[in-house]
Amino acid sequence: EAQVTQNPRYLITVTGKKLTVTCSQNMNHEYMSWYRQDPGLGLRQIYYSMNVEVTDKGDVPEGYKVSRKEKRNFPLILESPSPNQTSLYFCASTSAFGGPTDTQYFGPGTRLTVL
Amino acid sequence: RKEVEQDPGPFNVPEGATVAFNCTYSNSASQSFFWYRQDCRKEPKLLMSVYSSGNEDGRFTAQLNRASQYISLLIRDSKLSDSATYLCVVNPLGAGANNLFFGTGTRLTVIP
Repeated sequence: EAQVTQNPRYLITVTGKKLTVTCSQNMNHEYMSWYRQDPGLGLRQIYYSMNVEVTDKGDVPEGYKVSRKEKRNFPLILESPSPNQTSLYFCASTSAFGGPTDTQYFGPGTRLTVL
Repeated sequence: RKEVEQDPGPFNVPEGATVAFNCTYSNSASQSFFWYRQDCRKEPKLLMSVYSSGNEDGRFTAQLNRASQYISLLIRDSKLSDSATYLCVVNPLGAGANNLFFGTGTRLTVIP
C-alpha cells in the first residue's frame, strides 16, 4: 500500500529539548516536504527536498532543520523547540515533476505540543 | 494579501442539498489548481484537480475562472460523509510541487 508514515503521532515536550519527527514514504517519490498547520493560517511549507541531499527552505523554516540522506526518509529536526512551534505537522511526498494530475500524499500528521 | 483565500464557513447544509465553495488566488500566473479534503484531525487528501475546461467527478464539479482568478467546487446531492474541510490549493509555478499554497479551508457539515 502506497503510504507516508510519520512518527511520533503525538508528542508533548518542553522548551529546548531537541526532538526529531521521522517521515518515510514507500512510493519512490523524489520530492518530499514538511508542513505545519495552524488554526486560521492553513498549511504552510517548512522545508522541501527535491532529491537525496537536496533540501531548501519553504515559507516558515525558522527553528527547523531537515536532512535527506535516503530517498525514502525526510526527518524534521527541532534543535531547541519553543512554544510557538506547537502545531500539527504533516510530511508529504509527490513525484518529482508535479503538475495538474499529480497528487501530494500526506502522512497522518504529528501533533506537537511544546510547553 | 494571502496567496489563496477561502470563506472558512462553516457551511451547514441538509442532506441532498447542493453546495458551492469559491476560492480566490492572487497570482495570475498560477498554473495548477486542486481541491483537497481534510477530515477532522486527519491528513489532507486530494479530492480533484481543477482543469481549465472544468471537470466533474461524480457529484463533484470543479471550475476555474482565470479572468476573475477563482476556482469553485460544487457538491450535488450532499451526503453525510461529505462533512469535512475542503482546502483550495494553488501551484503558482506549474510543474514542480515545491511551491503549493493552501487556503485555510472551508468547513462543510451535512445535516441529516
